[in-house]
Amino acid sequence: DQQVKQNSPSLSVQEGRISILNCDYTNSMFDYFLWYKKYPAEGPTFLISISSIKDKNEDGRFTVFLNKSAKHLSLHIVPSQPGDSAVYFCAARSGTYKYIFGTGTRLKVLA
Amino acid sequence: DGGITQSPKYLFRKEGQNVTLSCEQNLNHDAMYWYRQDPGQGLRLIYYSQIVNDFQKGDIAEGYSVSREKKESFPLTVTSAQKNPTAFYLCASSISLNQPQHFGDGTRLSIL
Repeated sequence: DQQVKQNSPSLSVQEGRISILNCDYTNSMFDYFLWYKKYPAEGPTFLISISSIKDKNEDGRFTVFLNKSAKHLSLHIVPSQPGDSAVYFCAARSGTYKYIFGTGTRLKVLA
Repeated sequence: DGGITQSPKYLFRKEGQNVTLSCEQNLNHDAMYWYRQDPGQGLRLIYYSQIVNDFQKGDIAEGYSVSREKKESFPLTVTSAQKNPTAFYLCASSISLNQPQHFGDGTRLSIL
């Protein structure tokens, strides 16, 4: 049973435009959410996080939105750059230590 | 430069053999983790360790073993009891259990 779902396996966006990556979850007890970026042949890199008590967190070009009623999380990248091309994973924290990861969305930013 | 080092990057094993994957961190993190990634799936937790000399099973611990004798090191042994060991293995660490995790670059294990 996939508790964290990334329904779009891939996404292509033109350079300079907005990239929106989506993540849905089923467990209302999740209290902390994260996004990771992964380049080929490297491990995931922590990008940005949000606590369940907030609905938005911004860090430079990256903004994460949380809609608790819809159990939906999204990552906005504005403006998108070719270096943003990577696989993006969302993750949700369950309890004190356990993170449930989505299957990832491959973002391709076209120059 | 602080980080997590996993070695080797690629590993081949004959059926019936145990193999140990190395994970070392110099971030002074207390918590360490091992994940497995299979195609089309999210990361699944194998084992985690909150502190030296302590470790707990994750969701898919069967066929694996770990040790945590030093803060910096958290080796994972894939035993012959693991029926489907071919996968990409990721090690991670965090300041404490509930903090964001930092990942190594992974080890890809294949069965010959």
